[in-house]
Amino acid sequence: DIQMTQSPASLSASPEEIVTITCQASQDIGNWLAWYQQKPGKSPQLLIYSATSLADGIPSRFSGSRSGTQYSLKISRLQVEDTGIYYCLQRYSNPWTFGGGTKLELK
Amino acid sequence: EVQLVESGGGLVQPGRSMKLSCAASGFTFSNYGMAWVRQAPTKGLEWVATISYDGSSTYYRDSVKGRFTISRDNAKSTLYLQMNSLRSEDTATYYCTGRAPDWGQGVMVTVSS
Repeated sequence: DIQMTQSPASLSASPEEIVTITCQASQDIGNWLAWYQQKPGKSPQLLIYSATSLADGIPSRFSGSRSGTQYSLKISRLQVEDTGIYYCLQRYSNPWTFGGGTKLELK
Repeated sequence: EVQLVESGGGLVQPGRSMKLSCAASGFTFSNYGMAWVRQAPTKGLEWVATISYDGSSTYYRDSVKGRFTISRDNAKSTLYLQMNSLRSEDTATYYCTGRAPDWGQGVMVTVSS
């Protein structure tokens, strides 16, 4: 099974700051990597698909990048509404695997 | 507008069965593989099972193999999850999903005596 190691587990940042969350895949998954944001009591919302493509309706301050088997989600100019838990997901092969999640709070 | 609406959850005793449904609309259901993902209370997301667009291939996480069955009815645009021999550790909100952006609102399954 492919392991997705996500870091950090939690993050506290101020509005307008830049934050980066990473996921390290245990093997090659190509660009089969998506990032989701989940708010309490809600379904996950797609932010980034195919590692770097911005999902419809998502603000451009969200961006995804890839370096080998390491994937990153960057949030530029953090906003209050960006609080929540962020997950990466690989759909390259079954079983799909999620990262452990990053809880983002604003100071 | 794409909609995925899960139903069939609730409280069930350990060892009993339950069947979840996910009614899809707003896209051509028969063109897409579908999956169930669950989330135990206060925990992260966990993939449960996947089914190919035509139902010919299915995949399960190890902990549910032999107990859960994923299936679909393309004529009804509906995805199913038959859950047998339920355990307390199956307690979770179950989501159906297919294309990356499309997730249902989730249905809660509580396994408890």
